[in-house]
Amino acid sequence: GENVEQHPSTLSVQEGDSAVIKCTYSDSASNYFPWYKQELGKRPQLIIDIRSNVGEKKDQRIAVTLNKTAKHFSLHITETQPEDSAVYFCAASRGSSASKIIFGSGTRLSIRP
Amino acid sequence: NAGVTQTPKFRILKIGQSMTLQCAQDMNHNYMYWYRQDPGMGLKLIYYSVGAGITDKGEVPNGYNVSRSTTEDFPLRLELAAPSQTSVYFCASSPNGGSSGELFFGEGSRLTVL
Repeated sequence: GENVEQHPSTLSVQEGDSAVIKCTYSDSASNYFPWYKQELGKRPQLIIDIRSNVGEKKDQRIAVTLNKTAKHFSLHITETQPEDSAVYFCAASRGSSASKIIFGSGTRLSIRP
Repeated sequence: NAGVTQTPKFRILKIGQSMTLQCAQDMNHNYMYWYRQDPGMGLKLIYYSVGAGITDKGEVPNGYNVSRSTTEDFPLRLELAAPSQTSVYFCASSPNGGSSGELFFGEGSRLTVL
């Protein structure tokens, strides 16, 4: 089955700097890759996603890149702000509606003032 | 429109007891999921369902059972609770499942087994 590995487990960056979180997946048939943000004590919420026919997707300060050959994808947050402090999860799915959605282990991002 | 509702929010169980975590959604989503989140860890898929009457195992199904008799409800049953089942349980629903569907999560149910 699918296995998603996520690094680093914790990340601390200065406010205004960029943060990068990386994930690798094992199932070459996976083609849908969402990212979720979970604030302390809250439920996870989708922040951006990408499909395998696209190499990069951007939404304001957040971007996701995908390297299907290497089976890895990354989340990039630019100009980080205090409200970006949270746990971020990557996930992967084969892309059919009946597919499982498998999550990585999470990255706790802290923004230093 | 309440979204995904989970009950109870908190529960303490003794080893060997059984209980059911309730999950209901009012968005008419076909796809529903149960995940567990251990402290400092990621979300592990327990069971999922692609529609009423259909359920399938996820990554960590042992010790759990589910049923899906209606589109709205997806209860998770714990039989013979063990300390290893101490976790936060999230139920989620999706309009499109794994094809490109956003998962709508409930608020979570925090379970402690002593």
